[in-house]
Amino acid sequence: SYELTQPPSVSVSPGQSARITCSGDALPKRYAYWYQQRSGQAPVLVMYEDNKRPSGIPERFSGSSSGTMATLTISGTQVEDEADYYCYSTDSSGDRRVFGGGTKLTVL
Amino acid sequence: EVQMVESGGGLVQPGGSLRLSCATSGFSFSSYWMSWVRQAPGKGLEWVANIKQDGSEIYYVDSVKGRFTISRDTGKSSLYLQMNRLRVEDTAVYYCARGGNWWDQWGHGTLVTVPS
Repeated sequence: SYELTQPPSVSVSPGQSARITCSGDALPKRYAYWYQQRSGQAPVLVMYEDNKRPSGIPERFSGSSSGTMATLTISGTQVEDEADYYCYSTDSSGDRRVFGGGTKLTVL
Repeated sequence: EVQMVESGGGLVQPGGSLRLSCATSGFSFSSYWMSWVRQAPGKGLEWVANIKQDGSEIYYVDSVKGRFTISRDTGKSSLYLQMNRLRVEDTAVYYCARGGNWWDQWGHGTLVTVPS
């Protein structure tokens, strides 16, 4: 079965840049998407098709993808960015829809 | 404003059934694929099922095939999930989400609990 691998946790100080990675064999062929989930809340789309930011998402959020790794970068991280972040993509056939295991971003 | 409100969750014994509903407003429901995504307590996200705009295409994750049925009612702008033969491992918050292969809007979810 297809898997997307994320680090379980990332810590950053306020104002610094946070980078969350997502590794998957099909990422050279498939887009990556990123969801932010604050504690007790529903997921929110923060990046789609590797590097497109939905309206309403702050410019400090950016995305990139190279080879088998996609990266979500938060520049000038704020305390309010503390959340779980999930990458999402499909396998090379497009049949399997898979989330990464999630990365807990701590801002301290 | 897009609104998606799930209902129908609750406590159900193993082997039982439950029907989830998602009432939507603020967008053209008939123009979008729709999906259910779930999250077990303390765990990650898992796509469950999706349905095309006219219901002509439906897909499920393997673990629910033959037990769950997704459907939609365009007149009511609503999405449904009929869950039969429920298992302990189906315990999760179930989210209604707009889209088929990725999701740009989510409801707040409804909790389904199947005790062991």
